[in-house]
Amino acid sequence: AQKITQTQPGMFVQEKEAVTLDCTYDTSDQSYGLFWYKQPSSGEMIFLIYQGSYDEQNATEGRYSLNFQKARKSANLVISASQLGDSAMYFCAMREGYNAGNNRKLIWGLGTSLAVNP
Amino acid sequence: DGGITQSPKYLFRKEGQNVTLSCEQNLNHDAMYWYRQDPGQGLRLIYYSQIVNDFQKGDIAEGYSVSREKKESFPLTVTSAQKNPTAFYLCASSADTYHSGNTIYFGEGSWLTVV
Repeated sequence: AQKITQTQPGMFVQEKEAVTLDCTYDTSDQSYGLFWYKQPSSGEMIFLIYQGSYDEQNATEGRYSLNFQKARKSANLVISASQLGDSAMYFCAMREGYNAGNNRKLIWGLGTSLAVNP
Repeated sequence: DGGITQSPKYLFRKEGQNVTLSCEQNLNHDAMYWYRQDPGQGLRLIYYSQIVNDFQKGDIAEGYSVSREKKESFPLTVTSAQKNPTAFYLCASSADTYHSGNTIYFGEGSWLTVV
């Protein structure tokens, strides 16, 4: 079963508008971390934002914020005031807490392609 | 500047040849990783290393080999046993693998094409 689901293969947004990229996750652990990465066409994977399962407040990093709804198991990325340079693939990932035999590797979604229109 | 350097950026391999992708980091991270990315399949873990002289197989280790002789370096060899090696390869590192919140940072990637 998919542990990280990104239901939007592609999204369009107008420059200067806000956009929300969806991510739902599945875990039975109480301790886990959620990450968002950006991958422009050049290929480099760029870390954007992190949310811990015990963090009470939603994470924010500049124009990026993470809408963390624990009961719904969702961790949506919100990009405010979109810029042309935001056009890229966006990946959601999760790292579960420690369990015997769990190497705590990142579990990745399949990504959402975002296009920002001028 | 601190970061992860992968080389070469583009590599062509003839069938039956082994090739080695270089990965060096100066972030003083203990853990290093190799991922493979194919279109529409997200990232898949090939190998990871939590400490020098130790490494573990990931989800798709067959046809690949690694070494971790130095903390800064984690080269990946794509052997002739890898039947479909054409892909984008990403090297990454993190402070360790013991905390769920440890961020993994990536290099710029290497494109490998079999000709």
